Amino acid sequence: RKEVEQDPGPFNVPEGATVAFNCTYSNSASQSFFWYRQDCRKEPKLLMSVYSSGNEDGRFTAQLNRASQYISLLIRDSKLSDSATYLCVVNLGTYKYIFGTGTRLKVLA
Amino acid sequence: NAGVTQTPKFQVLKTGQSMTLQCAQDMNHEYMSWYRQDPGMGLRLIHYSVGAGITDQGEVPNGYNVSRSTTEDFPLRLLSAAPSQTSVYFCASMPPGQSYGYTFGSGTRLTVV
Repeated sequence: RKEVEQDPGPFNVPEGATVAFNCTYSNSASQSFFWYRQDCRKEPKLLMSVYSSGNEDGRFTAQLNRASQYISLLIRDSKLSDSATYLCVVNLGTYKYIFGTGTRLKVLA
Repeated sequence: NAGVTQTPKFQVLKTGQSMTLQCAQDMNHEYMSWYRQDPGMGLRLIHYSVGAGITDQGEVPNGYNVSRSTTEDFPLRLLSAAPSQTSVYFCASMPPGQSYGYTFGSGTRLTVV
């Protein structure tokens, strides 16, 4: 089993839709969690950290479920500019970060 | 404030050649790392450094060397390029405390022929 798993997609959604991605992780000792956004042929950029209590940043909501070992990202009112690949990242401690392979989102006009 | 600067952006090498990928950051971050990104495999850690003079191996260190003589610079050296090293390379830095995320450079696309 991979340490971090994501559905590769693509998720094709119309503008204005709500879309959610999950990311599962295998190590119960994982300490911190992140979502990154990566546009085609660009570097990953931090979208948001994921806190135990869940957190929201505008149209984006991230949640952590330690019992089931997954994190989620919810995007409301999708925009064309949200089209990208979303990377899940898990920190196992001691600067060990494991990246998922990403979920591709296409928002359609 | 430039963030993390990588050079070159593109490079073609012949098998057996050596080269250095440059990485510099101006955020006074102690932690820096090098990743490679290949299709379907996610980013994989090559080497990392927790401060000047301190480096360590990541998941895929073979064929690469690093040094960290200053806080700002963290070059990655390919000793004898192989086609398997064809990839996109990203340098990244992070402030102290592992609850912060990385800032990535714009990447180097390397092709080894």
